[in-house]
Amino acid sequence: KAGVTQTPRYLIKTRGQQVTLSCSPISGHRSVSWYQQTPGQGLQFLFEYFSETQRNKGNFPGRFSGRQFSNSRSEMNVSTLELGDSALYLCASSLGTGLGETQYFGPGTRLLVL
Amino acid sequence: AQKVTQAQTEISVVEKEDVTLDCVYETRDTTYYLFWYKQPPSGELVFLIRRNSFDEQNEISGRYSWNFQKSTSSFNFTITASQVVDSAVYFCALSSDYKLSFGAGTTVTVRA
Repeated sequence: KAGVTQTPRYLIKTRGQQVTLSCSPISGHRSVSWYQQTPGQGLQFLFEYFSETQRNKGNFPGRFSGRQFSNSRSEMNVSTLELGDSALYLCASSLGTGLGETQYFGPGTRLLVL
Repeated sequence: AQKVTQAQTEISVVEKEDVTLDCVYETRDTTYYLFWYKQPPSGELVFLIRRNSFDEQNEISGRYSWNFQKSTSSFNFTITASQVVDSAVYFCALSSDYKLSFGAGTTVTVRA
């Protein structure tokens, strides 16, 4: 079974631009979560989607948004990029959205904002 | 609020030595889940184990073993007879409010 895939793997943008990252979950998984990983803040939860609905949201500004499609694929968008948005963005999928669901992670998208 | 503390930032050992990674968590919930993930240099987080708050049995999987103690809110991870391929960042995580909260991670370097 194929794992979680994320595209693109690397991205360079400049301040003020916007970016869209894509995530395809493991086949059969209906929940997708997004995380931001930086050296200073570590791994931080962004949001979770299940059945095209946002179920949970972390403490990030409104510039960070996401959506999920009927095939469970998900995208996250960051508008008006700031230097501090440079990070590894990880997507994870799980079968459902219950407490304790094991999340399986993709390879991440490394975003550099100049 | 939930919190995970991995006090060890970096651990360096010589191959075949045992390595124990500490994880202490905080939560007010009685039902919760604990996880360990491994992040090799490639960046992908690899799932290693999941335990729920009602199962305090220790677990061994090959060279990996986990010690869960509710009394001390700890979920420690030991790599026995470490190998160079074990070099990675290891994260402990807690799920008690439908979100996964990660510790800061412990970087393990195994030298040949």
